[in-house]
Amino acid sequence: DIQMTQSPSTLSASVGDRVTITCRASQSISSWLAWYQQKPGKAPKLLIYKASSLESGVPSRFSGSGSGTEFTLSISSLQPDDFATFYCQQYYNYPLTFGGGTKVEIK
Amino acid sequence: EVQLVESGGGLVQPGGSLRLSCAASGFTFSSYWLTWVRQAPGKGLEWVANIKQDGSEKYYVDSVKGRFTISRDNAKNSLYLQMQSLTAEDTAVYYCASSPSHHYGYWGQGTLVTVSS
Repeated sequence: DIQMTQSPSTLSASVGDRVTITCRASQSISSWLAWYQQKPGKAPKLLIYKASSLESGVPSRFSGSGSGTEFTLSISSLQPDDFATFYCQQYYNYPLTFGGGTKVEIK
Repeated sequence: EVQLVESGGGLVQPGGSLRLSCAASGFTFSSYWLTWVRQAPGKGLEWVANIKQDGSEKYYVDSVKGRFTISRDNAKNSLYLQMQSLTAEDTAVYYCASSPSHHYGYWGQGTLVTVSS
């Protein structure tokens, strides 16, 4: 199974900060990586797919990069609505696997 | 508007069975992969099972193989998850989700399954 490791697990930031979350795969997954945002009590929301493609309707302050085993999700200027938990997910092969999550908190 | 609505969750005793349903609308159901993803209380996301558009391919996480069965009825725009031999480790919110590929843009609101005596 491909293990997905996210760092950090928790991140404290202020509105307007640039934020970067890292996701590492235990083997190469090419660009088959998605990023989701989840707020408490809600379903996950797709932000990025194929490592860097922005899902329709997602603000352009979100961006993704990387390929192979190392990936990043960046938020260029953190907004109040962005405080949430973020997950990466590989879909290179089965079983599909998620990272452990990164909680972005208000500093 | 795309909608996925799960139902069938509840309290079940260890060793019991439960069938989850997911009713879909607002998109071409038969053209999408469908998945079940679960989230134990206070924990992260765990993929459970996938089914191809025509039902010809099904995939499961190892921990549910032989106990859970995913199925779909394209005529009814519905997805199912039959769960048997449930244990406390299966306690979670179960989400259905859909995608033309394997990155999931449409999600239901989730249904809670609690396995406890």
